[in-house]
Formats: sequence, structure tokens, C-alpha cells
Amino acid sequence: EDQVTQSPEALRLQEGESSSLNCSYTVSGLRGLFWYRQDPGKGPEFLFTLYSAGEEKEKERLKATLTKKESFLHITAPKPEDSATYLCAVQAVNQAGTALIFGKGTTLSVSS
Amino acid sequence: NAGVTQTPKFQVLKTGQSMTLQCAQDMNHNSMYWYRQDPGMGLRLIYYSASEGTTDKGEVPNGYNVSRLNKREFSLRLESAAPSQTSVYFCAKGDRGSGYTFGSGTRLTVV
Repeated sequence: EDQVTQSPEALRLQEGESSSLNCSYTVSGLRGLFWYRQDPGKGPEFLFTLYSAGEEKEKERLKATLTKKESFLHITAPKPEDSATYLCAVQAVNQAGTALIFGKGTTLSVSS
Repeated sequence: NAGVTQTPKFQVLKTGQSMTLQCAQDMNHNSMYWYRQDPGMGLRLIYYSASEGTTDKGEVPNGYNVSRLNKREFSLRLESAAPSQTSVYFCAKGDRGSGYTFGSGTRLTVV
């Protein structure tokens, strides 16, 4: 069964304190791994897509990396506005259509 | 969220009532999806549509029906609402390469 597990469930950081969020996945074949940001009361907002092991993508203070079993979202010198829930999702080869399988998310709180 | 419009934003139903959640996209993406999001459960796929006129079940389809009458619109219908359907519902559009765009959600409470 295709699965996505995110850790930790919650993370509290001080402004400027860098850290990483983990997304481990078990799929029969990976078509793509997605990272989203979700603010309270809003829909998920697309951040990155990674397709193959070794791939990296960056956007401002965020950097996503991918291995054959997991992905990391590195947050460098976070600011309070980075506070949100970060969702990881995979698209599997045997998944019907192009739908995504989501993890439960990591809720990040950054205090000043 | 830009590109996907969901209505209504909030709804309270009594057990047994029916309603339709509406979703419309502003582009010509073939694929559209309905997810529900519950605390501790993450986002789970209810139904999806790979193209106009076609629909398929996702992980949690029981109690729901969908309709994709044209490329822009993908509606989700609850025929007889139950308290277990209290959730936040998200519609999304898009394909693998472009990333998925989600609407802002419908918060549904069934009492």
C-alpha cells in the first residue's frame, strides 16, 4: 500500500533557527513528490515538485531534497511568516489517474 | 485560491439533507479532484475526473456522487448528509507537471 509519513507532527522554532521537515514514503513507483504549504482556513498552496532521487529545488528560505525513500524540506533562518502546515504528497505509478496521496502534515510555528 | 473557485465557503446541514458543492476552474486542465480534510487524517481523495465526462472513485467515495458536465466544472453531491461527513472539502485542478491548484475549501458541518 502506498503511504506517506511526515515528521515531526509539530515543530516550534525561534526566528533564525534552521531546521528540516521529513517526509518518508512507500510507493510501488514514484511519479513525483510534492510539497505544499497550508495556512489556517485556506487551501494548500503548491511549493515544489521533485521527480527523481538527488533532485533539489529552492524557493526563498525553503529547499526541498529527494532520496529514494524520503524527502526533506529544509528551512533556513525561518521568519514568523513561515509559520504554516507543510504537506507532503506523492503521485504513484499505480495510483489511479493523477491523484496525490498526502501525508498528515507538519505544523511549523516560528516565533520572533 | 486563484484558478479554482469553490462555493459555498460554509454550510450547515441537518442529517439527511442533501446539497451540492460547486467547483469551477479558470483554465482548461483535464484533471480535477475532490478531497476532504479531517483533523489527524490528512487530505483524502473522494473522487477525481481525468477528463470531461469521466469520473472515478478515490479512497473515500461512500456517501458522495460527482458530476463533470464540462471541462470547467466538477461538482460534489451529498444525497443524504451524515455527521461523519462533517469536514473541510477541497477541490483541485491540474496535472503532474504544473502542480495541483486547490480551492479555498468548503467547511461543512452536519448536525
